[in-house]
Parts: sequence; structure tokens; C-alpha cells
Amino acid sequence: GAVVSQHPSRVICKSGTSVKIECRSLDFQATTMFWYRQFPKKSLMLMATSNEGSKATYEQGVEKDKFLINHASLTLSTLTVTSAHPEDSSFYICSGSGRAPYNEQFFGPGTRLTVL
Amino acid sequence: DAKTTQPNSMESNEEEPVHLPCNHSTISGTDYIHWYRQLPSQGPEYVIHGLTSNVNNRMASLAIAEDRKSSTLILHRATLRDAAVYYCILRDSNSGNTPLVFGKGTRLSVIA
Repeated sequence: GAVVSQHPSRVICKSGTSVKIECRSLDFQATTMFWYRQFPKKSLMLMATSNEGSKATYEQGVEKDKFLINHASLTLSTLTVTSAHPEDSSFYICSGSGRAPYNEQFFGPGTRLTVL
Repeated sequence: DAKTTQPNSMESNEEEPVHLPCNHSTISGTDYIHWYRQLPSQGPEYVIHGLTSNVNNRMASLAIAEDRKSSTLILHRATLRDAAVYYCILRDSNSGNTPLVFGKGTRLSVIA
């Protein structure tokens, strides 16, 4: 399967600061990237969908001004958590999709964010 | 995407086969059955998928009921590294590039 990387793997920040998470598709061009969030013992919840060169589409209840998503190239998407609060502490997972004909999704290893 | 129902948890002894069930009674004719698993503190990884016929790969086998309203993921010899949450997901082949929607999955524990 194709490889998706995330950086950093874990980050600790103070309340009020911003954190950027990078998601890269290493060996394929991801025309679409998805961002998920996962709280402890819970399932993955979709946050947003982004297509290369377009604005992201956010799921209901996800603040677009707080979770800034950029998908400037076919191999890179970034999620910036702005003015982070302790309740934003979570496991953030990206996935890339774009290999026809099945449009399979390939997931990154996740980024654990802890906001103090 | 149609809904799936899985047991919350299952337990298996190491080196024994494991059968993970999934019910999807509202499956449509164009829905593929996908299985992903998520090891602790990792992103999900693809396991197997199928449409109508049973499927085998190096990781597992997928047995699909004749009416397609249920399926079973079979791990032939469970190892400690198979302890994970297993997700059964339906995905419409006509849905284009839409995201996978995860349910609660089945948490598999493997006992040495």
C-alpha cells in the first residue's frame, strides 16, 4: 500500500498557542486528503475533507477558523490548530486518497497533541 | 454509506483462529465491504475488502454471506500483534472520493 507520513508524531503546547501538523503522501499523489480526530477509547471522527488547490470542507461542528487546513500540493496537507485549548488535546490522523479506480484511503500514523 | 454492526470486543488465544463478525443488513448492491484495523496509538491500516466473493490475502480472509447482509473477517492464527480495533466499513463504489466513515469497531484482545 501507499505511504502517508505525519509530522510531528507528538506535540505538547501551551494553551493559546498554535500548532501545525503536516501530512505527506510519500509515493502517490493525493488529490484528496482527509483529517480525522480521535479521543481516547473513541472512534475516528472526520473533521474535514480537502482537495488540492481548493478550500477544505468541514464537518458540522468543526470550526474552520480554529482548524485551518491547507492542501497546497498533491503531496502535502497541513492542519493548524489555532489558539489551542486543553479540550483540543487529541489524536489527529490524516489520510490521502487519489489512486483510481478505487480511490483507496491510506492513513498516516497520527499526531498526538497535548495542550497544557 | 450503510451502517454496520460489530461486537464491542472479542478475545482470542494466541495461535488460534479468530472470526470477527459484521452485520450490514442494509447493504446496497454497489457497496464494497472494507476492513481496517487500528493498532494502539497508530493510524488505521487496510486489511481486506470484497464485494461478493470470499477474499484471501496475506493478512486475513473475508467471508461474505450469500445475501451479503453479513461478513466475517478471519485471522487464521492470532498473534499478540493482532491486538487492535477492527473496523468493518461499507463503501459505495459509486461514491467517488468520499471519506471512510468509522463506527465503533471490535476491540480484539489476544491472550498469550
